[in-house]
Amino acid sequence: ETGVTQTPRHLVMGMTNKKSLKCEQHLGHNAMYWYKQSAKKPLELMFVYSLEERVENNSVPSRFSPECPNSSHLFLHLHTLQPEDSALYLCASSQGQGATANYGYTFGSGTRLTVV
Amino acid sequence: KNEVEQSPQNLTAQEGEFITINCSYSVGISALHWLQQHPGGGIVSLFMLSSGKKKHGRLIATINIQEKHSSLHITASHPRDSAVYICAVVNYGGSQGNLIFGKGTKLSVKP
Repeated sequence: ETGVTQTPRHLVMGMTNKKSLKCEQHLGHNAMYWYKQSAKKPLELMFVYSLEERVENNSVPSRFSPECPNSSHLFLHLHTLQPEDSALYLCASSQGQGATANYGYTFGSGTRLTVV
Repeated sequence: KNEVEQSPQNLTAQEGEFITINCSYSVGISALHWLQQHPGGGIVSLFMLSSGKKKHGRLIATINIQEKHSSLHITASHPRDSAVYICAVVNYGGSQGNLIFGKGTKLSVKP
């Protein structure tokens, strides 16, 4: 365990379903991130929350809806997804603001999502 | 063309071999990360560096800022080193979280 916990580890959902991915960290970090990893493609940043406020939304379709109720928890709500949304969704956290050289990232184990 | 390029894409080695994975980038950066991803999917941060060289156990990471190039070396490789190694850069002046990732190098170490 890295200190960032993601649930569930695997999820199969139909295109009309609504589901949520959960991420939890108790590292005292003040920023949390959602990344998408598709086959044969680099990780793509989806959302960034800093001090519980969304600071970046990287042109993600509205069928993905993030929520950060407090600094330790991050959710990704999913609805009416498409098969091409099947991917590994990774959560990460960090301590530090801005693109400085003095903070690192801690990643979760990811949720393997399959949309059928 | 991706702003972060890794080579090779795939690498097979025999146990005990010295391994080098390369990363070149085309943007100004404030830091570079080397990450390890095992088949289960989880990612572990190996190094974060902005200059020079870092060593942790059998792993060594170097960076040459002028040449925009970094290398990850594994000495005395072992089958448990088999994983995907990902290079990611923090884009200088970019917004928080603006990591740019390479596609990864898949390493397989045979016993």
